Amino acid sequence: AQSVTQLDSQVPVFEEAPVELRCNYSSSVSVYLFWYVQYPNQGLQLLLKYLSGSTLVKGINGFEAEFNKSQTSFHLRKPSVHISDTAEYFCAVSEGVSGGYQKVTFGTGTKLQVIP
Amino acid sequence: DTGVSQDPRHKITKRGQNVTFRCDPISEHNRLYWYRQTLGQGPEFLTYFQNEAQLEKSRLLSDRFSAERPKGSFSTLEIQRTEQGDSAMYLCASSPIGTGVGEQYFGPGTRLTVT
Repeated sequence: AQSVTQLDSQVPVFEEAPVELRCNYSSSVSVYLFWYVQYPNQGLQLLLKYLSGSTLVKGINGFEAEFNKSQTSFHLRKPSVHISDTAEYFCAVSEGVSGGYQKVTFGTGTKLQVIP
Repeated sequence: DTGVSQDPRHKITKRGQNVTFRCDPISEHNRLYWYRQTLGQGPEFLTYFQNEAQLEKSRLLSDRFSAERPKGSFSTLEIQRTEQGDSAMYLCASSPIGTGVGEQYFGPGTRLTVT
């Protein structure tokens, strides 16, 4: 069974500083990996996804993530954060589509707080 | 295209009452998902539709929960005899068919409070 671990529940960081949000996954098969962002009182929005190919994936709002198969990690990074990046970030894993159904398992989330 | 919409955005109900939520997916999306999100947790899968067929249900979905997607368009999620433990954010998502693995597009959610 697939699972996702987000090691940090909250990450405070000063504006314009770099940030890394950690994500580790567990799966017995090949996986697809996602990062979603959730702003207060809103639904989730896809930041980026890894399906195959290059292990460095670039997403929206200047975020990027690197897939590391040997360490089963998919950490999210941004070189310089902005106040508007304050939100909760969810890592998610999918073992693909079976019978038309894409089972996606989400982590517990990391709250990024950008300090002015 | 205005994205996935959900109605109502907030619902307060008394224990034992029935509630129904509606989700309107992106019009060309055949797949529709319901999730439940509680405080401090990520979304937990509840059920999945492909067109009008309900193909998957989580064991989290007790007999008090029922979901429908008549005509493969909008979907409803009904909770009967609500309990305080049902208080959560209920999220709907949709995705297009034929793209294999792809992202899910989420609605803003319905926040349910059971008093």
